[in-house]
Amino acid sequence: GAGVSQTPSNKVTEKGKYVELRCDPISGHTALYWYRQSLGQGPEFLIYFQGTGAADDSGLPNDRFFAVRPEGSVSTLKIQRTERGDSAVYLCASSPSRGGGYTFGSGTRLTVV
Amino acid sequence: DQQVKQNSPSLSVQEGRISILNCDYTNSMFDYFLWYKKYPAEGPTFLISISSIKDKNEDGRFTVFLNKSAKHLSLHIVPSQPGDSAVYFCAARAQHDYKLSFGAGTTVTVRA
Repeated sequence: GAGVSQTPSNKVTEKGKYVELRCDPISGHTALYWYRQSLGQGPEFLIYFQGTGAADDSGLPNDRFFAVRPEGSVSTLKIQRTERGDSAVYLCASSPSRGGGYTFGSGTRLTVV
Repeated sequence: DQQVKQNSPSLSVQEGRISILNCDYTNSMFDYFLWYKKYPAEGPTFLISISSIKDKNEDGRFTVFLNKSAKHLSLHIVPSQPGDSAVYFCAARAQHDYKLSFGAGTTVTVRA
């Protein structure tokens, strides 16, 4: 597609549930990033993929968070046993190469109640 | 620890006047700086950037100034237009890095 697509745009889930957030990057972009923006803060790095592999997952807050990109295109961010503190906007970005200019998606607003 | 700080959460400016947004950073390894603009329900979009080898970069109505010794940069928008009303994020990264560190953002409101 023309831009980075994220689905769903909004997700409300109950505490303790499992959620999956999807990112469809720009075709041909090998680098993919996930960021999280909490209320009143700027985006914070979660994980970086180069191709199919997670090259840097140092920003994932704990082992409840996991992300995959099995075919080097679409990525899914998975959150287990959600907590209210996980409520945030999850942003995905892609770039043609490592460190290249980012294009962000519109984000998924996750609300844990 | 927040390595990029935008100390003004909001700014209101009259249409046609100059908007000045400020950003400070603490990490001396940062050498590339970017400004992003964000409208509600949309992702951040790239606006302008500057490398540490420069102290000024201009693109139309937008100019970014970098003061390395003070670890400070600013974005000037002149003249401000109603469509400039948005949240502006300052971001920085180290050379050859891919991770961006963002400030908390400044909400700009341009009054008619």
